[in-house]
Amino acid sequence: QVQLVQSGAEVKKPGASVKVSCKASGYSFISYFIHWVRQAPGQGLEWMGIINPSANSTSYAQKFQGRVTMTRDTSTSTVYMELSSLRSEDTAVYYCTRGARGSYYRDYFDYWGQGTLVTVSS
Amino acid sequence: EIVLTQSPGTLSLSPGERATLSCRASQSVGSYYLAWYQQKPGQAPRLLIHAASSRATGIPDRFSGSGSGTDFTLTISRLEPEDFAVYYCQQYGSSPITFGQGTRLEIK
Repeated sequence: QVQLVQSGAEVKKPGASVKVSCKASGYSFISYFIHWVRQAPGQGLEWMGIINPSANSTSYAQKFQGRVTMTRDTSTSTVYMELSSLRSEDTAVYYCTRGARGSYYRDYFDYWGQGTLVTVSS
Repeated sequence: EIVLTQSPGTLSLSPGERATLSCRASQSVGSYYLAWYQQKPGQAPRLLIHAASSRATGIPDRFSGSGSGTDFTLTISRLEPEDFAVYYCQQYGSSPITFGQGTRLEIK
């Protein structure tokens, strides 16, 4: 069965960086794009960007341009999301999720990781 | 970017009743580039509906979606206890992908 398993919770200080991993299994890793979506406490969902594991190409939401980097390791079927220059407003649960249609923007999400809580606090 | 506005913010109903949730877009998302998700506390969102009206695999037929352009609706025909959760709509007709702010469906 399709699974996306994320790394554990992180606590970071303002100005630091965090790198969250998402290990995929149960399907062909290079056949589906992976998106990252975050959710601040008690808030809604916010799309951050996308990585194409096959071409190793990425596209980021304008809000995160310059601060986010998405990478992949095909040998372990793992995708990574690194967010730098952290501030308190970045405290959120970060989800990796699989795009169902294989389109950069015209896609919905059929499988989700369990989420990784990133807390930014001094 | 396309802004999605969900209404009502909170819906209080009893098991067995019918729920109607609305999602309105600030501009057309196309005929069917709209999805619905259910989220329970401490869990990741779960895909319910895509292409405005297509149920995802394993979703009961009491869930149905309709609409096109800028106005979309999620209907739950007869509420079961496990349906009380937060529901989000998502558009994927235009970059960037955006979500509505959510509708909380609570037990009356």
